[in-house]
Amino acid sequence: GAVVSQHPSWVICKSGTSVKIECRSLDFQATTMFWYRQFPKQSLMLMATSNEGSKATYEQGVEKDKFLINHASLTLSTLTVTSAHPEDSSFYICSARSLAGAYTDTQYFGPGTRLTVL
Amino acid sequence: GENVEQHPSTLSVQEGDSAVIKCTYSDSASNYFPWYKQELGKRPQLIIDIRSNVGEKKDQRIAVTLNKTAKHFSLHITETQPEDSAVYFCAASIKAAGNKLTFGGGTRVLVKP
Repeated sequence: GAVVSQHPSWVICKSGTSVKIECRSLDFQATTMFWYRQFPKQSLMLMATSNEGSKATYEQGVEKDKFLINHASLTLSTLTVTSAHPEDSSFYICSARSLAGAYTDTQYFGPGTRLTVL
Repeated sequence: GENVEQHPSTLSVQEGDSAVIKCTYSDSASNYFPWYKQELGKRPQLIIDIRSNVGEKKDQRIAVTLNKTAKHFSLHITETQPEDSAVYFCAASIKAAGNKLTFGGGTRVLVKP
């Protein structure tokens, strides 16, 4: 149980284009999903908290107009990197918290999406 | 905001020996402390977690201890095996702050056969 998927697993795009990444909780419902960015050999940095049916909450320094987040259902959140540039190249990972069970603070991570902007 | 420090950044141990990773946190309101193992290019995998109402938790070769007074927690891996080689991250979160995880910088563990 508690499986999170991401699509695509990797993407290469040209500078100036937009890329959409999907995060799905496959066997549980999640009102809250989180989006992280991880540069090589570094830790995970929280970008934003995605809440089903409401606006995402962005961490300080993260441009909300560049990283658009939509959480349209209890099992799907999307991150769109708009007008991507080479410095946006990174490993993007989502996580989700389950609504049910004794512990709703546990986060389950997706497999990540490696974005390369040329 | 919360700040989590993790030490050491790299750790090399002989197979069969123990490995210990330590983390400190800054916000006394933190109440959930998970540990994740991440292999290269893969997702972080939850290996053990502890909540602020207990001081120690064990799962086979892995144990975590929490000292709320000193605001630090540690991961202990006994009888290390080559497959334990990975990057380990500690994290802390506050329920009242939406359970957002703040991660430590990570520890690269190498178990030498």
